Amino acid sequence: ETGVTQSPTHLIKTRGQQVTLRCSSQSGHNTVSWYQQALGQGPQFIFQYYREEENGRGNFPPRFSGLQFPNYSSELNVNALELDDSALYLCASRPEAASTDTQYFGPGTRLTVL
Amino acid sequence: GESVGLHLPTLSVQEGDNSIINCAYSNSASDYFIWYKQESGKGPQFIIDIRSNMDKRQGQRVTVLLNKTVKHLSLQIAATQPGDSAVYFCAENGRNDMRFGAGTRLTVKP
Repeated sequence: ETGVTQSPTHLIKTRGQQVTLRCSSQSGHNTVSWYQQALGQGPQFIFQYYREEENGRGNFPPRFSGLQFPNYSSELNVNALELDDSALYLCASRPEAASTDTQYFGPGTRLTVL
Repeated sequence: GESVGLHLPTLSVQEGDNSIINCAYSNSASDYFIWYKQESGKGPQFIIDIRSNMDKRQGQRVTVLLNKTVKHLSLQIAATQPGDSAVYFCAENGRNDMRFGAGTRLTVKP
């Protein structure tokens, strides 16, 4: 196991609602990244947090936001949910922010937007 | 932007045979590559990584080859087992992120 946990496992929301997904990184891992994985595709980078600050973002709108806490936990918040937001959301942690550090993934949260 | 791509979306092999999964990348500045295995309903699981100053790296039953000249990466699995059935992704490092291809589904026939 990677030591990265996510909650909840599954979630169903309706269009327009807001959702918060949670991740607990490995102890000592200061960097957490969030990815969106649509069915049949590879994970797409949403953003990265390092020491509680966002330090990188992919091609996702501002309604995707995050927080990272000192206890190695983090959140992904999505406002005004759209049907296309239905996906597996993955968090991954690594010790520092260097992109050459190995990332370890959690099991993901399956979000369904109706 | 530049992206990682895979040659084949599916691969079917007989149990005990060797498997080779290929990946092409286009960003010549990438200097770190990872192969992940993803089983149904689970997150990607780290298999093996390689840095651009190497052309081969071996793990337990797995070997990754990197050809920087043609920007090609491959994952070789020796003596493939039913438990190896999964989707395999190669990923390359970007500025802050890892960039994934669409994946190859490996099916192992008994």
